[in-house]
Amino acid sequence: AQSVTQLGSHVSVSEGALVLLRCNYSSSVPPYLFWYVQYPNQGLQLLLKYTSAATLVKGINGFEAEFKKSETSFHLTKPSAHMSDAAEYFCAVTRRAGNEKLTFGTGTRLTIIP
Amino acid sequence: EAEVAQSPRYKITEKSQAVAFWCDPISGHATLYWYRQILGQGPELLVQFQDESVVDDSQLPKDRFSAERLKGVDSTLKIQPAELGDSAMYLCASSLAGRTNYEQYFGPGTRLTVT
Repeated sequence: AQSVTQLGSHVSVSEGALVLLRCNYSSSVPPYLFWYVQYPNQGLQLLLKYTSAATLVKGINGFEAEFKKSETSFHLTKPSAHMSDAAEYFCAVTRRAGNEKLTFGTGTRLTIIP
Repeated sequence: EAEVAQSPRYKITEKSQAVAFWCDPISGHATLYWYRQILGQGPELLVQFQDESVVDDSQLPKDRFSAERLKGVDSTLKIQPAELGDSAMYLCASSLAGRTNYEQYFGPGTRLTVT
């Protein structure tokens, strides 16, 4: 079985400050990991994915995440927050088998303080 | 850029009524997923299709929910009768077939409110 834990349901940062959203996973098999962003009343947009290549993954909008097997973590970071980053962020895990369902965390709502 | 289409975007229905949602995946995507997202939670898989066949419907409440993908292209998710607890966002996603494809593309979702 696989699961994802997102620490902090709400995170607030000042504009220009570092963004850090935490994700820890549990998986009995080697995982693939994803970060998605969701704006109000919209679907999910893929930010980045880890699929066993480089452990430091760069995504869209200046976000990146590092896969740390020893810590079972896949935290999302961005050096400088922008007002447009305000949204809900979801971490998800799947098995390395292709076309498997995604198991999502409960999400972290990011608020940017002007 | 190709997108997953869903309709309607919003639906309000009374409990005990029937409701249906439609999804048109990205052209050529053989795998289609329906997820349910309750407010404040992450999406959870309801049903997964590979072409017209159901791959996983273990979390689909089969006494009231049904899903079909008759020609292996677009799909319909139905609820009959709707209950108050069915209020949620219903998300459709699609992906290419194959054991090396992991990226799922999501549609805008259908927001269901049951009164």
